[in-house]
Amino acid sequence: AQTVTQSQPEMSVQEAETVTLSCTYDTSESDYYLFWYKQPPSRQMILVIRQEAYKQQNATENRFSVNFQKAAKSFSLKISDSQLGDAAMYFCAYYPLQTGANNLFFGTGTRLTVIP
Amino acid sequence: DGGITQSPKYLFRKEGQNVTLSCEQNLNHDAMYWYRQDPGQGLRLIYYSQIVNDFQKGDIAEGYSVSREKKESFPLTVTSAQKNPTAFYLCASSIDVLAANTGELFFGEGSRLTVL
Repeated sequence: AQTVTQSQPEMSVQEAETVTLSCTYDTSESDYYLFWYKQPPSRQMILVIRQEAYKQQNATENRFSVNFQKAAKSFSLKISDSQLGDAAMYFCAYYPLQTGANNLFFGTGTRLTVIP
Repeated sequence: DGGITQSPKYLFRKEGQNVTLSCEQNLNHDAMYWYRQDPGQGLRLIYYSQIVNDFQKGDIAEGYSVSREKKESFPLTVTSAQKNPTAFYLCASSIDVLAANTGELFFGEGSRLTVL
């Protein structure tokens, strides 16, 4: 079974500070993609960042970066210089390339609050 | 503007009634998806379609039906056979199914269905 676990239902961060959202996943496969999606109050999901499992280098997108630990099956998201617009639900997701299930497996989400 | 339009945003249904949720995209994407989102749970795939006149069941297809008569449209019918239909439904699209491998899913703003 492939599962994605986000153990932090809610997190908060002071504006301009840094916050890390955690995600672990369970898989027996070696080739896969990992993602962080953001769902703001408008409810429209937006891709934040993507990591290919075969790449050792951690992905970065401006203020967003990941800490990918393949052996530990851990994929955390770091948001630097947090802004009010970062407030949203964040979902970690996993895509297995080998089984080709054509399905993203999502975690249960972390609600991030940004305090002015 | 290009994007995905879901309608209605809010829908109420009496038990025993079928209801159809609309999803239209003008992105010229081949693949379209329907996800269900429940509180405290990640997104779960209901159905997906790779091309016109073709669709495949996802993880929770029971009680749902879809059609793909046009490239830009992928309506979802929630039938009376769905035992717990109250949920938030998200439609998504990607250029093609392989593009989903890279996480490039574009989402609509969702439809909230409540069964009275």
